[in-house]
Amino acid sequence: KQEVTQIPAALSVPEGENLVLNCSFTDSAIYNLQWFRQDPGKGLTSLLLIQSSQREQTSGRLNASLDKSSGRSTLYIAASQPGDSATYLCAVSRSGSRLTFGEGTQLTVNP
Amino acid sequence: DGGITQSPKYLFRKEGQNVTLSCEQNLNHDAMYWYRQDPGQGLRLIYYSQIVNDFQKGDIAEGYSVSREKKESFPLTVTSAQKNPTAFYLCAGGPQGGEASEQFFGPGTRLTVL
Repeated sequence: KQEVTQIPAALSVPEGENLVLNCSFTDSAIYNLQWFRQDPGKGLTSLLLIQSSQREQTSGRLNASLDKSSGRSTLYIAASQPGDSATYLCAVSRSGSRLTFGEGTQLTVNP
Repeated sequence: DGGITQSPKYLFRKEGQNVTLSCEQNLNHDAMYWYRQDPGQGLRLIYYSQIVNDFQKGDIAEGYSVSREKKESFPLTVTSAQKNPTAFYLCAGGPQGGEASEQFFGPGTRLTVL
């Protein structure tokens, strides 16, 4: 059974700092990995999708990497801003449809 | 939100009642999903459907039912058999499968049992 773990559970940083969020998964036979952002009381916003054949994806200040062999992904956020404060969730897909989620990292960026 | 709409935003249920949560999509997604989120936890899959008139149980299907009579709609019924239904419910849609299949989520429905 696939298990997804996110570390740390919570992170507080000053504005402008570069930061890394971690995601690990137990079964490396995945189709893809998605990173999501969730604001309090809201739905999920898809940030980046990395296909199993890819090693990284970039969107603006965000960069996500994938190392299937070690079962790890990182989300790098450059020059963090207070508006980046949210919960970040990673999820892996084994069959190409069903997602298994981690519990998320709650990020606070202080002005 | 990728064209996924959910209603209502808030829903209150009395003990013993069945309630139905609506999920509609306008982006021609083949697959649709229902997840449940409890405080401080990740999402857990309740049901999913990859084609009209077909659906599969997820990890926590007991006490829930779904239908997929139209491609655009995937309603979730929370029955009285669900012992702890208070949670945040999220609907998602996306392509049927493959490495590039990205899921898009609706804004969610918060269900509270009175």
